[in-house]
Amino acid sequence: NAGVMQNPRHLVRRRGQEARLRCSPMKGHSHVYWYRQLPEEGLKFMVYLQKENIIDESGMPKERFSAEFPKEGPSILRIQQVVRGDSAAYFCASSPAVTQGRTEAFFGQGTRLTVV
Amino acid sequence: GNSVTQMEGPVTLSEEAFLTINCTYTATGYPSLFWYVQYPGEGLQLLLKATKADDKGSNKGFEATYRKETTSFHLEKGSVQVSDSAVYFCALILTGGGNKLTFGTGTQLKVEL
Repeated sequence: NAGVMQNPRHLVRRRGQEARLRCSPMKGHSHVYWYRQLPEEGLKFMVYLQKENIIDESGMPKERFSAEFPKEGPSILRIQQVVRGDSAAYFCASSPAVTQGRTEAFFGQGTRLTVV
Repeated sequence: GNSVTQMEGPVTLSEEAFLTINCTYTATGYPSLFWYVQYPGEGLQLLLKATKADDKGSNKGFEATYRKETTSFHLEKGSVQVSDSAVYFCALILTGGGNKLTFGTGTQLKVEL
């Protein structure tokens, strides 16, 4: 039973390029969350998605960032025109359902994005 | 707003020493509280949780008690091992807030022989 799979593990992009981060949730999980971990900081919530729906994007920067979780395939976090400040570790988590905080979210190993 | 404050690291201990990592929170409602652990190069793993006041979460020798009166959820272990070296994150979820976690900044623990 594979856990949450993120790829790539490491991604290097030049300023102005696009970054696409993928997350395949655990089998049977229909809820996906993206978090960003900046150097020397904790994880910050970005977006919460269910299949084909964005439930909460209150943590997403207003520009250049988008996320989707299609009916088929992985969830994608897309960053357009990357800047050096986007360099961070991006973690995906998934859960089977939401029951008032009693449902454990399982995390992937993260994608470490470096913008040069 | 909602926030979690953890003691700064790194915390360096000798093997078999007693561990305490302080965590306090601010929340507008009644949160569930969590400790996650991150080993080098890995994602986060849930270590323990407590969903209401006075609950004690425990796992692998670690414990934390949900103290509503002091808004705290301090992590303790009686005897640490080298294998416990990792970064520990305190986090909360608000009731009715979906499963959105608010994290502290993390505390790095180094255990030496």
